[in-house]
Amino acid sequence: NAGVTQTPKFQVLKTGQSMTLQCAQDMNHEYMSWYRQDPGMGLRLIHYSVGAGITDQGEVPNGYNVSRSTTEDFPLRLLSAAPSQTSVYFCASSLGGTGSYEQYFGPGTRLTVT
Amino acid sequence: AQRVTQPEKLLSVFKGAPVELKCNYSYSGSPELFWYVQYSRQRLQLLLRHISRESIKGFTADLNKGETSFHLKKPFAQEEDSAMYYCALRVGGAQKLVFGQGTRLTINP
Repeated sequence: NAGVTQTPKFQVLKTGQSMTLQCAQDMNHEYMSWYRQDPGMGLRLIHYSVGAGITDQGEVPNGYNVSRSTTEDFPLRLLSAAPSQTSVYFCASSLGGTGSYEQYFGPGTRLTVT
Repeated sequence: AQRVTQPEKLLSVFKGAPVELKCNYSYSGSPELFWYVQYSRQRLQLLLRHISRESIKGFTADLNKGETSFHLKKPFAQEEDSAMYYCALRVGGAQKLVFGQGTRLTINP
């Protein structure tokens, strides 16, 4: 199993550009989520999905869109990049439901917006 | 509102000394807490969860509902414990996690 994979590893964008961060998992997990990691602020939830076709907003959703057409994939779209979106982005997945399950994280994407 | 606070951004101790990473939470429901760790050049990974009441790599954490705390402890620190540690709270009935700000632990030889 590859676990949770993310592409690209690094990306530089100019203000106003759009792009999609890819995330995939091969563990048949129902729950997937996107976090951003900023110094001194920990990880903050952007969007999450409890299954294919179902997404919801997290703590900091503005400027980001998601969709979940398959169980495996959960891409994150930046509509019009801003310098405030410079961050490290992590995708995670876990079993769904109400149990206390471990979340598995991807390696992260380091995004710089100039 | 749900919140997790890790008051120390940086913590430095000598090898062999005890270490305690503090975590306090605010949550109106029944809390489920975790510690995640990120070693250098590795992925964020689960260290332990309170519901398991287990010791992993010599670390333990006890949920204290009266003090709303979930401090991480190890009696004798090792150099390989140097890492970024995050306390996290599961909220609601789904798998949503609220993370603290993180504590960077450095073990000096």
